[in-house]
Amino acid sequence: DTEVTQTPKHLVMGMTNKKSLKCEQHMGHRAMYWYKQKAKKPPELMFVYSYEKLSINESVPSRFSPECPNSSLLNLHLHALQPEDSALYLCASSQGEGTGAQETQYFGPGTRLLVL
Amino acid sequence: GENVEQHPSTLSVQEGDSAVIKCTYSDSASNYFPWYKQELGKGPQLIIDIRSNVGEKKDQRIAVTLNKTAKHFSLHITETQPEDSAVYFCAAEHYNTDKLIFGTGTRLQVFP
Repeated sequence: DTEVTQTPKHLVMGMTNKKSLKCEQHMGHRAMYWYKQKAKKPPELMFVYSYEKLSINESVPSRFSPECPNSSLLNLHLHALQPEDSALYLCASSQGEGTGAQETQYFGPGTRLLVL
Repeated sequence: GENVEQHPSTLSVQEGDSAVIKCTYSDSASNYFPWYKQELGKGPQLIIDIRSNVGEKKDQRIAVTLNKTAKHFSLHITETQPEDSAVYFCAAEHYNTDKLIFGTGTRLQVFP
C-alpha cells in the first residue's frame, strides 16, 4: 500500500480564520513533506520532517505552521492567510533512510485551498 | 541551486504514436531523477525514476534515458493511449538533500 491520505479535499477560509490540513500515511515512512502547487505550476517544497523533526523549512511565512505529532501524521496549521496563498497543498512521504538516499516520494491527492 | 528545464510545455499525439519529453538540469551533483504523472484533481504519481549510475531504464511502455555528461534526461512513452493524457513532471534531487526540484511540466494529450 503506497497511499498517502489528506483531509479535507477542499477548504475555503477567510483571511482571519484558523484552519488545519491533515496528512496521514501507514507505510512506516519516517520522512514527510509539504508542497504548495499553484495552478499550471510544479509543486514547490515548503517543509520536510525527518523522524518527526523539522529538517527543511524553505523560508515559508510564519502564517504556515507545520506539526508532526507522530511518524504517521503531518499537519499544516494555517492562520491569517492571504488570497495569494490559494493553491493545492500536497503532502508526500518517503522511507526516511537518510539525507541523499534517493528515495521515492509518494504524494497524497492534495487539499485545494481557497482564501477569500 | 538546482534548476530543471522541461520541454515541450504541451504535446499532442495520436493514439499509438510515441511521446518524448526532455529535461535538463544544472547541478552536476544531482543524482536522482524521477518522473511524475499528475491527472486532473489528483496528486503526482511516480511513473519511473532513474539514478545516476544507470543510463536507461524501461518499464513496459515507459522508458527514461539519462545523459550525465550533457545533464539531460528524457521520458519516452510508446504506443500512447488516451489514458496517458495528463501533466508530466520531471524532477532532480541533489545527492546530499531530500529536496526534489521539479521541471515546469508537460501537458500531454493523446487523441483517439
